[in-house]
Amino acid sequence: SQQGEEDPQALSIQEGENATMNCSYKTSINNLQWYRQNSGRGLVHLILIRSNEREKHSGRLRVTLDTSKKSSSLLITASRAADTASYFCATGANSKLTFGKGITLSVRP
Amino acid sequence: NAGVMQNPRHLVRRRGQEARLRCSPMKGHSHVYWYRQLPEEGLKFMVYLQKENIIDESGMPKERFSAEFPKEGPSILRIQQVVRGDSAAYFCASSPGIGAGGIYEQFFGPGTRLTVL
Repeated sequence: SQQGEEDPQALSIQEGENATMNCSYKTSINNLQWYRQNSGRGLVHLILIRSNEREKHSGRLRVTLDTSKKSSSLLITASRAADTASYFCATGANSKLTFGKGITLSVRP
Repeated sequence: NAGVMQNPRHLVRRRGQEARLRCSPMKGHSHVYWYRQLPEEGLKFMVYLQKENIIDESGMPKERFSAEFPKEGPSILRIQQVVRGDSAAYFCASSPGIGAGGIYEQFFGPGTRLTVL
């Protein structure tokens, strides 16, 4: 069954705005990771948050994790056209990652 | 430090042929993972290998698919007698090991796009 489910499926915003993407999962995890994929390319690791962490920052990225609700959010502040990509959450357990279907983010210049 | 390398980047095969996909992990990484991505889908785990060992192949189809990670050389994902449904992007990832809490971040290669005619 699908572990990570992202929401919304697609998001279109103006450059400079913030983008918030959500991910829900079903089973227990020991970490959750967010990845970015540009069209036709491989995945780029953005951030990893462990199950005992609630919030983590990396540059313009902020990730939260609520294990009681089995959900995570990725916030990209001050978005840029170059942030246009698909974003995936992936839950990690026993060495393998389980990915959601992804969110397509379009940032209009 | 070179990243994860995969070749070929694009592979075209006719139904019934064999496809061999190669993955060289990042330097110092001894754990390799293969994932498959169908169009408009997320990645699906296939297999996790360490040198000379298959650790978890729970995502591998039972027939026609095999993977290896020999002591020397790249990891190979082999698909025998390909069918149209095998058309997908196949990604390899590597990690240095399993960290505290069960996992390190995985570093992905650019993928091999397999097209079966």
